[in-house]
Amino acid sequence: DAKTTQPPSMDCAEGRAANLPCNHSTISGNEYVYWYRQIHSQGPQYIIHGLKNNETNEMASLIITEDRKSSTLILPHATLRDTAVYYCIVRVGGLENSGGSNYKLTFGKGTLLTVNP
Amino acid sequence: EAGVVQSPRYKIIEKKQPVAFWCNPISGHNTLYWYLQNLGQGPELLIRYENEEAVDDSQLPKDRFSAERLKGVDSTLKIQPAELGDSAVYLCASSYDRGFGELFFGEGSRLTVL
Repeated sequence: DAKTTQPPSMDCAEGRAANLPCNHSTISGNEYVYWYRQIHSQGPQYIIHGLKNNETNEMASLIITEDRKSSTLILPHATLRDTAVYYCIVRVGGLENSGGSNYKLTFGKGTLLTVNP
Repeated sequence: EAGVVQSPRYKIIEKKQPVAFWCNPISGHNTLYWYLQNLGQGPELLIRYENEEAVDDSQLPKDRFSAERLKGVDSTLKIQPAELGDSAVYLCASSYDRGFGELFFGEGSRLTVL
């Protein structure tokens, strides 16, 4: 099981912020939240990951609620090239936890984000 | 720096024929993954290698699928014989630190079985 729930699709206007939600109500204390995206006909691309603090990099920001049961990926200024399927994944992090089934990067169906001109 | 390289990009075969896919991971990445992606679905892990060792092959259909990673660098995934239901994209990925931070994916090999 993917252990996350995402809306199947979302639309966003070019230049506006895209806010992609993800529910992970059964997340464990040692599980991280990862986001990947997949542009049509390409392999998935890593975006960002976090444990409990908000994270930001050159691609996006990740906001995790205090109870860690949900998170939001924010693309601050969406462009047409951001049209893709976005996957929210929870998995155990840390080298000491690299074994077992909960180590796997298990993809669900994700959210198809369409950025419109 | 070159990314994960996969070949062939596209392959069309008739059912019951064999097929093989090749993957060259990013230099220095000791962990290699093969994923299967059906249309409209997210990728599903088939097998994970740590160097030459297959540490997780629980999702690999071993009656017709096989994989190898000789010398702990590049890898081959084989299907013999192929069935209609094997039509999918086969993705290879690699990582440096057992995937804690980031997996790097290739563009995939799209298989069509007629």
